[in-house]
Formats: sequence, C-alpha cells, structure tokens
Amino acid sequence: GEDVEQSLFLSVREGDSSVINCTYTDSSSTYLYWYKQEPGAGLQLLTYIFSNMDMKQDQRLTVLLNKKDKHLSLRIADTQTGDSAIYFCAENKDSGYALNFGKGTSLLVTP
Amino acid sequence: GAGVSQTPSNKVTEKGKYVELRCDPISGHTALYWYRQSLGQGPEFLIYFQGTGAADDSGLPNDRFFAVRPEGSVSTLKIQRTERGDSAVYLCASSDTGYGVSPLHFGNGTRLTVT
Repeated sequence: GEDVEQSLFLSVREGDSSVINCTYTDSSSTYLYWYKQEPGAGLQLLTYIFSNMDMKQDQRLTVLLNKKDKHLSLRIADTQTGDSAIYFCAENKDSGYALNFGKGTSLLVTP
Repeated sequence: GAGVSQTPSNKVTEKGKYVELRCDPISGHTALYWYRQSLGQGPEFLIYFQGTGAADDSGLPNDRFFAVRPEGSVSTLKIQRTERGDSAVYLCASSDTGYGVSPLHFGNGTRLTVT
C-alpha cells in the first residue's frame, strides 16, 4: 500500500525550533495525528488536527496542514533535550479507526 | 489512573513454538487495537476490537495469528508456529469509543524474539 512519508532524522540545538514534516496518502482522512515514542516506551499522542483545519497550536506545538499537497508539519518551539524521541505522523485511512503510521522521524536535541 | 498494560514485556521463543501476548486496556475503554512494530518502522495495524468482537482483522498477516477479547476487556494475541519474521514489538492500544478522534492510548509493548 501507499506509505506515509517522513524524513528519518533531524538534529537541532537546544532552544531552537524543530520542524518535522510528513506527507500522507489519503485525502479522505478525517484526522491527522502526531505521536511521540521515547526509547522502550509505547507511543504517546502529542496532538491531532481535524482535516478541515489548517493550523492548530497547543503550547509549544504548532501543527500545519496543507490538504491540497497532503502535507502535515509539526513545529516544536524552544526545543528541549527531553524532546529527543521518535515522532510519528499518522492518518486514519478511509476515515476509519485504523491508523496508518509513517516510519518516524528521530529527533536529536543537542545542548 | 493505570494505563494500558502488556505482558510479558519481553518474550524469546524458538521457531515453531506457540506464544500468547496479553493486553490489559484502560478500564472502560471499549475499543482495543493490536499493532506490530518492526525495527525502524512505524506501527502496522493488525486487528481492532469493539467490545468482545473483532470488528476488523484485516491486518493479521496470515492464519497463524489470532486474537481474542472474550469479556470485552483483556485481549490475548496468539501466534502459532512462530517464524523468525514474526520478531517485532507488539503494541496494544485502547480508546474510549473507537469513533471520532478518540485518541489511542498505547502500552509499552511486548518485544517478541523468535530464534
């Protein structure tokens, strides 16, 4: 099947902004999600955006959605070392309950 | 409150053996999901339960894989005649309804290694 695409690695310095990009596959997806996975742990929902929105802000997190290009981004302001993790973009394919995940972007924050 | 609990956290088995992986969802959550995550990949959908019934098992790779949720709470993923390619982290998630945004809450997973 088609893949949700993400860049594999991103390295930023502490205090800078991080931007993680994702291209999804299904224009009928109702919701788009960002999950965070720390080593040895399960996935934690960070934020989500409804498909009829183009931006959502939640504290340090900003999600931008471009439906025409099927492009989703996650911006983390004032990135901290505790933000180092793998970030997964996900769509609910066919507007269903099963999420289709990307391969994840590994974010490394250096002091 | 307690999150999604998965046991065991690690399981090593020999090729050809049978294994059972257990998931205890968040109390009151009607929807339960199994995903499989291979190294360097995102989670891959396996099966979804709404209550006791498997509403969608289209992600199960073949008939060696089976899952049950007899009382609408705890679920067991069963793998027969394990193969080395089954090695992965098996993730369980639950959500309160399974509809709308209903965020998925994931457990820490069971790391299965088939030798």
